[in-house]
Amino acid sequence: DAKTTQPNSMESNEEEPVHLPCNHSTISGTDYIHWYRQLPSQGPEYVIHGLTSNVNNRMASLAIAEDRKSSTLILHRATLRDAAVYYCILRGGNTGKLIFGQGTTLQVKP
Amino acid sequence: DAMVIQNPRYQVTQFGKPVTLSCSQTLNHNVMYWYQQKSSQAPKLLFHYYDKDFNNEADTPDNFQSRRPNTSFCFLDIRSPGLGDAAMYLCATSRDSFTGGYEQYFGPGTRLTVT
Repeated sequence: DAKTTQPNSMESNEEEPVHLPCNHSTISGTDYIHWYRQLPSQGPEYVIHGLTSNVNNRMASLAIAEDRKSSTLILHRATLRDAAVYYCILRGGNTGKLIFGQGTTLQVKP
Repeated sequence: DAMVIQNPRYQVTQFGKPVTLSCSQTLNHNVMYWYQQKSSQAPKLLFHYYDKDFNNEADTPDNFQSRRPNTSFCFLDIRSPGLGDAAMYLCATSRDSFTGGYEQYFGPGTRLTVT
């Protein structure tokens, strides 16, 4: 299973945009890039996913590099409720498994 | 509307006493997953069902078993819990497991304490 690399932690100010990076240099052509987040004492929550093109939904945007070896999750206006651990995961191939790495702990300051 | 429901939310069991955790879903998804998440760690996949087909991860201990009697329900059985099995157990569902194009929906988890 291809692995991802994320910074351990990031800080942001409330109401400012946040860019969470993810490197996945060994991504295969059939791997989708998924992002989940986990708030304290809750189950992970799906945020967004994409294959090659940039994606937008009501929660966030996903920017995927042209060579697909990296991606960035963009939260357009961080709120205190966005403080969570954000996981970037490659899913696909013939297993469809989610293999979680350590993720990025995002702190949002008021 | 709850889509993936886990009961109970908190479970206390004694060392060596079998325990069963349950998960139900209203999404009619083919695939159901069980993850273990220990304190300050990322979730770790234990096994999953694609319909009635059971798929065990290579490093999942034999102490952990699962049952899926129908599409909606899935159970995690821990035959002889040890202190090291104390963790949050997460259930998730997905429409398909053979491609990466579908998201997983997670339940709130059951926190297991072993005394």
